[in-house]
Amino acid sequence: KQEVTQIPAALSVPEGENLVLNCSFTDSAIYNLQWFRQDPGKGLTSLLLIQSSQREQTSGRLNASLDKSSGRSTLYIAASQPGDSATYLCAVSRPGGSEKLVFGKGTKLTVNP
Amino acid sequence: DAGVTQSPTHLIKTRGQQVTLRCSPISGHKSVSWYQQVLGQGPQFIFQYYEKEERGRGNFPDRFSARQFPNYSSELNVNALLLGDSALYLCASSATGPGGHSNQPQHFGDGTRLSIL
Repeated sequence: KQEVTQIPAALSVPEGENLVLNCSFTDSAIYNLQWFRQDPGKGLTSLLLIQSSQREQTSGRLNASLDKSSGRSTLYIAASQPGDSATYLCAVSRPGGSEKLVFGKGTKLTVNP
Repeated sequence: DAGVTQSPTHLIKTRGQQVTLRCSPISGHKSVSWYQQVLGQGPQFIFQYYEKEERGRGNFPDRFSARQFPNYSSELNVNALLLGDSALYLCASSATGPGGHSNQPQHFGDGTRLSIL
C-alpha cells in the first residue's frame, strides 16, 4: 500500500528566504508525482507534475525534483513571498488502472513579511 | 476558461439523510475524480469516471456512489449519512485520453463543505 509522508508538517520562514519542502513515498512504482497548494477553505491548485521518467520540473520560482529509486521528491521555492503562504501537498499515482492520487498530509507554510 | 465548478459550496445535513454533490469539469475534460478531505488530512480518493464508466474506486462503503453524464459532469451521492462523513468533498478533472490514465495534471474545484449534525 502506497504511503506518502511530508516533512515538516509546518514551516515558518521570513520573506525572501529560499526553502525546501520534502515528500517521501513507500512504493517507487509510481506513474507521476504532483505538487499542489491549498489555501484555507479552498480546493487544490496544481503546481507541477513530474512524470516517473523525469528528474525535475520548473515553473517560475518553483522547482520540483524526483528521485524515484529513493522514493523522494522535493519542492524548492525561491525568494519566498507572503503570498506563498498555504498548505503544500504532494501526491503520487501508480501505473495502470485509475488516476487515483495518494496524498500526503501536507506542509503548512507561513511566510512572514 | 472556467475551471472545475462544484455545487453547492456548503451543505448541512443530519445523520441518516442522503446528499447529492455536483461537479462540472473543465471544458474538454472527460475524466472526473472525487476525493474526500477531512480536516488536517490529505484528500482520499473515492471514485474516478471516464466516458461515463467507473475507472477506479477507493476504500469507501457502498453508501457512496457516483455517476457521470454524457456532458461529462458528475454527481456524488452519499446515503445514510454519518457524523464521520463531515468533510470537504473535492472534484477533479483531467484531459486524460481513452486509456483513462495519463500524465495530464488533475485540476480541482473549490469543493463542497459537508457538515453532518
